[in-house]
Amino acid sequence: EAQVTQNPRYLITVTGKKLTVTCSQNMNHEYMSWYRQDPGLGLRQIYYSMNVEVTDKGDVPEGYKVSRKEKRNFPLILESPSPNQTSLYFCASSLPAGHSPLHFGNGTRLTVT
Amino acid sequence: DQQVKQNSPSLSVQEGRISILNCDYTNSMFDYFLWYKKYPAEGPTFLISISSIKDKNEDGRFTVFLNKSAKHLSLHIVPSQPGDSAVYFCAASLDYKLSFGAGTTVTVRA
Repeated sequence: EAQVTQNPRYLITVTGKKLTVTCSQNMNHEYMSWYRQDPGLGLRQIYYSMNVEVTDKGDVPEGYKVSRKEKRNFPLILESPSPNQTSLYFCASSLPAGHSPLHFGNGTRLTVT
Repeated sequence: DQQVKQNSPSLSVQEGRISILNCDYTNSMFDYFLWYKKYPAEGPTFLISISSIKDKNEDGRFTVFLNKSAKHLSLHIVPSQPGDSAVYFCAASLDYKLSFGAGTTVTVRA
């Protein structure tokens, strides 16, 4: 089954404790991206990657890191999480061509206390 | 500042009737627009899209209309069904970057 898999689904952590949210897709998509969803703000792009070893900032990259060492994986790293990073996070992937629709994972609910 | 706005947080419609969801944008450079649908505890799924060179695109019960001069698009769902109850996000694309609206929660009443 074609899918984007995020782990974990739920995560509660404390301020400053490094964490990684994993994302993997099995559709051989070149393009991958991370979003956060907050009430009243919709989905905001954090980082995106056009292909292996190519990443770029989205609209809200502060406090996040990403890497794209393999085509299928695009982990999101929070080196020193803060409470304002409490949010619902989505990973997505697509073909690179123009405006291919995104395929989203089921989300990761992160709480930073 | 948000470049894509969905000014109606919620919409309630009777089963069988038309649902009309609205979306406004500020950046005239956006060249592609998409609608996504989201159920609780799931990720958004693609619904329908439209290129900026068109003014209408139809797919079954779903039709998207684009008014470039007004920087406005709308999604029509006819007839509305209980399974359409979800959050709908409008999105606009420019150079592989998508800007999303805040979403509209649609509730279809039996």
